[in-house]
Amino acid sequence: DAMVIQNPRYQVTQFGKPVTLSCSQTLNHNVMYWYQQKSSQAPKLLFHYYDKDFNNEADTPDNFQSRRPNTSFCFLDIRSPGLGDAAMYLCATSSGRTLAKNIQYFGAGTRLSVL
Amino acid sequence: DAKTTQPNSMESNEEEPVHLPCNHSTISGTDYIHWYRQLPSQGPEYVIHGLTSNVNNRMASLAIAEDRKSSTLILHRATLRDAAVYYCILRDGGSNYKLTFGKGTLLTVNP
Repeated sequence: DAMVIQNPRYQVTQFGKPVTLSCSQTLNHNVMYWYQQKSSQAPKLLFHYYDKDFNNEADTPDNFQSRRPNTSFCFLDIRSPGLGDAAMYLCATSSGRTLAKNIQYFGAGTRLSVL
Repeated sequence: DAKTTQPNSMESNEEEPVHLPCNHSTISGTDYIHWYRQLPSQGPEYVIHGLTSNVNNRMASLAIAEDRKSSTLILHRATLRDAAVYYCILRDGGSNYKLTFGKGTLLTVNP
């Protein structure tokens, strides 16, 4: 059974039209992460939540926002998608941030296309 | 983050062992060696991790050189389902939460 669920698997949006990607987890993990993976590249961390504490990576563009209304759900909002934002977006969870508790569990990803 | 170097690609035949190398010559004493893999159209998946001693689990084995400057992920009998990109990642033993992915090794398994 899937433990980190991302919906939808494929999302098409228009240039400049806001889009929201969803992630839910059944693991009751404290930490949730969002990664961006462009074609033929490695995943890159955008930000993460430790419970309600939001942590942005220094080079994440302002165009990317996130919300975590409860333990189970986390959303990625792209305010004004550009063509360069077309990518696979991966959600991951871990039970903590210290090494012993930081095996990350990933969802299958949402592939975003921008027209 | 300490850097890792992996071959871009490797090939194997089904049911044969596969040895995936990783060089990490600048590893520090508190860095753990982690391996994740990413199957086509899927998110990454944890495989194994270790510090100094060799490690085994149901998926793979991890052999760590005595000087810790290199390691090898061993798949004992490759199957077609093992075809994936394999990432070798160094993780600080402290509170470093980040997974910093390198380019990884694309493993092709031939039937």
